[in-house]
Amino acid sequence: KQEVTQIPAALSVPEGENLVLNCSFTDSAIYNLQWFRQDPGKGLTSLLLIQSSQREQTSGRLNASLDKSSGRSTLYIAASQPGDSATYLCAVRWTGNQFYFGTGTSLTVIP
Amino acid sequence: GAVVSQHPSRVICKSGTSVKIECRSLDFQATTMFWYRQFPKQSLMLMATSNEGSKATYEQGVEKDKFLINHASLTLSTLTVTSAHPEDSSFYICSARDRGTTGYTFGSGTRLTVV
Repeated sequence: KQEVTQIPAALSVPEGENLVLNCSFTDSAIYNLQWFRQDPGKGLTSLLLIQSSQREQTSGRLNASLDKSSGRSTLYIAASQPGDSATYLCAVRWTGNQFYFGTGTSLTVIP
Repeated sequence: GAVVSQHPSRVICKSGTSVKIECRSLDFQATTMFWYRQFPKQSLMLMATSNEGSKATYEQGVEKDKFLINHASLTLSTLTVTSAHPEDSSFYICSARDRGTTGYTFGSGTRLTVV
């Protein structure tokens, strides 16, 4: 069964800290993995997309890594800001077109 | 970049009424549209997949007569929740597959509350 798990469910950090969000998946034969941000009551914003052949992707203060063999991905956020407060979702595509989402990590950055 | 416009962003309706949610690809042709829903504290779950001009394929446990999906054109897909009940209250979001790039773009979501 293909499942995506995100730990922790919630995280609170003071402004300026670096932090890591974790995502694990059950089947290593993925097509790609994507990190999204979801603000309360709003839709999804794509942050980073990592293809199966890649090990990491970077955008600004964000860095996502992929380790297929261990079934893990991490999202690293450097120098966190209050504006980073949101729910971060990890989604995996395997052979089909469907995205399998984790339940998300709710991040609060305290000023 | 590719944009999917989803409307309404939030809607409150009375139990027993029907609600239509619209997703429109603004600058690309969407061969396939995916509809997801998200209950509180849960992850987004795929409800159905529709290809332009074809009947939608529903995931197990999703009532096709209750959630009517129309994908009559390459730029528009609609989801109609018929005879809505409070348990249908959820966050609904669409995702469109770009005919040209085969990339996926998500709409902004619709928060449905049935009272």
